[in-house]
Amino acid sequence: AQTVTQSQPEMSVQEAETVTLSCTYDTSESDYYLFWYKQPPSRQMILVIRQEAYKQQNATENRFSVNFQKAAKSFSLKISDSQLGDAAMYFCAYRSARGNQFYFGTGTSLTVIP
Amino acid sequence: NAGVTQTPKFRILKIGQSMTLQCAQDMNHNYMYWYRQDPGMGLKLIYYSVGAGITDKGEVPNGYNVSRSTTEDFPLRLELAAPSQTSVYFCASSLTRDMETQYFGPGTRLLVL
Repeated sequence: AQTVTQSQPEMSVQEAETVTLSCTYDTSESDYYLFWYKQPPSRQMILVIRQEAYKQQNATENRFSVNFQKAAKSFSLKISDSQLGDAAMYFCAYRSARGNQFYFGTGTSLTVIP
Repeated sequence: NAGVTQTPKFRILKIGQSMTLQCAQDMNHNYMYWYRQDPGMGLKLIYYSVGAGITDKGEVPNGYNVSRSTTEDFPLRLELAAPSQTSVYFCASSLTRDMETQYFGPGTRLLVL
């Protein structure tokens, strides 16, 4: 099975500053998808951003962007101009282009300091 | 359009009891999933379904059963509850396998004592 590793259990950032959350994954496949999900205290899982492995261009969604390094199997999330509402658990996830299963990392708890 | 709904929100079970966690979606999605999330951990896939009448095991299926008699509903059955099944359970759905985005329900917190 594929593994997804988030090595930062907790991170903090000053409001309006930029923070980067790390994610690495292990796979022998060449075609797959990567995701970042946000889980606020309400526990609802919310998709933040996704990246197709065949695309070289890094995905961007407003203040959220990724740094996808396929050879290094790295998929970090950058949050710019951090806001108080960004405080949450962030999960990195992997899905093979052929399979039906998602594999999630253990999460990074982000605190935003006013 | 309610999206993905789950009931109950919270439940306490005694060891050995059984219960069914309900999940429904009104988006006409073919794919549905059940995950569990243990404290400090990511989500682990229990079962999934690619359409009515079709289900398959995920990473951690032991102790659970599912059925998919309609497109809308995907209940998760716990037989003989054990303390190891204390977790938060999430149901999710997506239109197709190629529709990578999963829509998640709000979760059901289960405590087995």
